[in-house]
Amino acid sequence: DVKVTQSSRYLVKRTGEKVFLECVQDMDHENMFWYRQDPGLGLRLIYFSYDVKMKEKGDIPEGYSVSREKKERFSLILESASTNQTSMYLCASSGTGILAKNIQYFGAGTRLSVL
Amino acid sequence: QKEVEQNSGPLSVPEGAIASLNCTYSDRGSQSFFWYRQYSGKSPELIMFIYSNGDKEDGRFTAQLNKASQYVSLLIRDSQPSDSATYLCAVNFGDYGGSQGNLIFGKGTKLSVKP
Repeated sequence: DVKVTQSSRYLVKRTGEKVFLECVQDMDHENMFWYRQDPGLGLRLIYFSYDVKMKEKGDIPEGYSVSREKKERFSLILESASTNQTSMYLCASSGTGILAKNIQYFGAGTRLSVL
Repeated sequence: QKEVEQNSGPLSVPEGAIASLNCTYSDRGSQSFFWYRQYSGKSPELIMFIYSNGDKEDGRFTAQLNKASQYVSLLIRDSQPSDSATYLCAVNFGDYGGSQGNLIFGKGTKLSVKP
């Protein structure tokens, strides 16, 4: 079974703090993704990575950065947290090739509150 | 602009009935199609995927794809209260790795199965 683990289920931070959200997958997947999910807005892609040290902007990268130093780990960084970054953050991973066919598997999510 | 559209619902069906969820997508070049179920406060979990025209059945779930009309549907037979969740449709507009591996998600349809 694919396992995608996010480091925290709930997180409360103060405005201006630097926040790290960690995601680890155990399936040797090439692709990893960070989304945020807000009521009425659905899943929105923040950043993704298709290889170690590679990163690509998604639809809403502003205010975020990412790091992928190892294949299994993809970190999302909020450089200076703001209240409008209060959201559910979801990490996903997928393999490539015919058998994997871009199936994305999600972690349990981190509900971040910025006060 | 690649888009995936779903009726937000809520769709309410009585226990034991067939629930029918629909999804339309904008690009004829789409390669693969996914249905995820998301319980309130939880992360999306994959329930079915389909790559070619026609139907795919898995237990009480049937996914139907019509590429000519650009829609995909999910039928849930013998609906149970435990099926009450939001169902997300996702479409891959390219194939395999890099940004081609990304999925575009609809905003989801909320299903309520009444006992």
